Amino acid sequence: EVQLVESGGGLVQPGGSLRLSCAASGFTFSSYWMHWVRQAPGQGLVWVSRINSDGSGTNYADSVKGRFTISRDNAKNTLYLQMNSLRAEDTAVYYCASVGSAFDIWGQGTMVTVSS
Amino acid sequence: QSVLTQPPSASGTPGQRVTISCSGSNSNIGSDYVYWYQQLPGTAPKLLIYRNNQRPSGVPDRFSGSKSGTSASLAISGLRSEDEADYYCVVWDGSLSGYVFGTGTKVTVL
Repeated sequence: EVQLVESGGGLVQPGGSLRLSCAASGFTFSSYWMHWVRQAPGQGLVWVSRINSDGSGTNYADSVKGRFTISRDNAKNTLYLQMNSLRAEDTAVYYCASVGSAFDIWGQGTMVTVSS
Repeated sequence: QSVLTQPPSASGTPGQRVTISCSGSNSNIGSDYVYWYQQLPGTAPKLLIYRNNQRPSGVPDRFSGSKSGTSASLAISGLRSEDEADYYCVVWDGSLSGYVFGTGTKVTVL
């Protein structure tokens, strides 16, 4: 079965850090560019970051640039998002996904809550 | 605020045709492919249209996409109750060096 499973979400204080993971299975993970997309409660989808298939190239939304780092380990079929200096406005469900491609796959999402 | 503008809501009765617009600029819709996603309540998004007007296998031909200049549209014909969902356009923006999602449109079947 083709799937993505996120983990690592939770409650963190403002200024804190969190590392999200996304485990891929059922497809050739190393062939695809991968993305993180987030959705604040009751709000729309927001693109966060992407990484190319071998991990050598990345892009970020302005709102997270300098604070978040996307990476991947193709040997472990896993995508990561290191989130530092977290703010209340980073509170959202975070999805790993393939975006901008005919290959459609999304994880179930992991909730990140930034609050004191 | 997103650089892609969609109407917040659209509605129709069963069997009707509903069209959702997505307005952008030369740096996004005007220069790259548009994708459309459907998000049912409480679930992850699902790809409906890729590369402006292509349907993945399994997506009914009731869904169609088009693009002209700096705008794109998603049409749903033969509206059904299961089409009640949020719909988002998304496209690469060359000026931002990132993808941008539209503001989202909630479709209601009356």
